[in-house]
Amino acid sequence: SQQGEEDPQALSIQEGENATMNCSYKTSINNLQWYRQNSGRGLVHLILIRSNEREKHSGRLRVTLDTSKKSSSLLITASRAADTASYFCATAPYTGGGNKLTFGTGTQLKVEL
Amino acid sequence: ETGVTQTPRHLVMGMTNKKSLKCEQHLGHNAMYWYKQSAKKPLELMFVYSLEERVENNSVPSRFSPECPNSSHLFLHLHTLQPEDSALYLCASSQEPGMPGNTIYFGEGSWLTVV
Repeated sequence: SQQGEEDPQALSIQEGENATMNCSYKTSINNLQWYRQNSGRGLVHLILIRSNEREKHSGRLRVTLDTSKKSSSLLITASRAADTASYFCATAPYTGGGNKLTFGTGTQLKVEL
Repeated sequence: ETGVTQTPRHLVMGMTNKKSLKCEQHLGHNAMYWYKQSAKKPLELMFVYSLEERVENNSVPSRFSPECPNSSHLFLHLHTLQPEDSALYLCASSQEPGMPGNTIYFGEGSWLTVV
């Protein structure tokens, strides 16, 4: 199975609620990144968390990383309809290969009015 | 606008056609990538170029042929494709290809349909 696997595959919430997505991976990493993709468009980088960090914030985004469990979570607070998109985690290996980002299959988030 | 421009955005081609996808980055980056995104599958890294030299080729069939004439331009030449090659092809760039902490900047993608 893939290095990064997101859970759940799909998530539907009401505007104003918080959305939490999880990512699990298998091998040691240097960093983990989250990307967002609007339907039929390219991916946009959201946030990067390094293996020696446990939590990181950016606006309404909060990312946690637990290297002992090889998992990460992305929390979007006070969601908006415009947050509707697919969200992907990507892992960079511990040794070399910053270009070897491995992406998961993504979580499709739908935020309803 | 991410600074990575892909053309065409949509392409329909027959299995015997030859076509090319074009990518241009305006970010001054040294590395460029081609990814393939199919429904229900993880993003697949196809090719990586660093300073115009191919540094990675992930077992991609020879009917896909990349070309990187300079660090700002990347092409994907397509010939005798199969219907299963229909997908969204994403071009991307980054500052350094082998550096952890790289942020990858993606283009909007080229939707390819093989009929």
